[in-house]
Amino acid sequence: GAVVSQHPSWVICKSGTSVKIECRSLDFQATTMFWYRQFPKQSLMLMATSNEGSKATYEQGVEKDKFLINHASLTLSTLTVTSAHPEDSSFYICSARDASSTDTQYFGPGTRLTVL
Amino acid sequence: GENVEQHPSTLSVQEGDSAVIKCTYSDSASNYFPWYKQELGKRPQLIIDIRSNVGEKKDQRIAVTLNKTAKHFSLHITETQPEDSAVYFCAASLGNAGNMLTFGGGTRLMVKP
Repeated sequence: GAVVSQHPSWVICKSGTSVKIECRSLDFQATTMFWYRQFPKQSLMLMATSNEGSKATYEQGVEKDKFLINHASLTLSTLTVTSAHPEDSSFYICSARDASSTDTQYFGPGTRLTVL
Repeated sequence: GENVEQHPSTLSVQEGDSAVIKCTYSDSASNYFPWYKQELGKRPQLIIDIRSNVGEKKDQRIAVTLNKTAKHFSLHITETQPEDSAVYFCAASLGNAGNMLTFGGGTRLMVKP
């Protein structure tokens, strides 16, 4: 089946540093990838939609200069949390839509970010 | 935009009993409704989905029903087992090029042995 990987799975950083999270589709091409944020015991909140070769579309309230998204290839999207602060600590999950499928999204394992 | 409500937020059942989770959506144009199961600290896993051209879909112990007129859909799990314990999320999508999913708030299902 379709597999999506994320790296790193867990990162701890100091306040003010930037953190890059990678999302890869391993066995399919993903023209569209999505980035979500999930707080403990809460649902997944869509942050942005990432389309290969074009700028990401951000959801209302998500700072595009804070959360930089790059989708340079059909199998890789990156999310960079710039100048991270403790309130950015969260579980970040990506998903990828198989280009050959109309609707199905497959999720990565998530990245737990802790900002000290 | 789309709004998805999910109930109940927590559900406790005895092993072997059935569990039902309900979701409503606001946008009548939504046409794709997946259900995900998420265990603690892990990724959401797609367990079943339904499209608006069908009213019911079944896969072994799991079934989903869709009522387009009422704009609600439900997940039914029969003969529950302890390993069914997890958080379940429903979602709705317009099925357009972006295929953005709007998620419900989640239901924490606990199956007591």
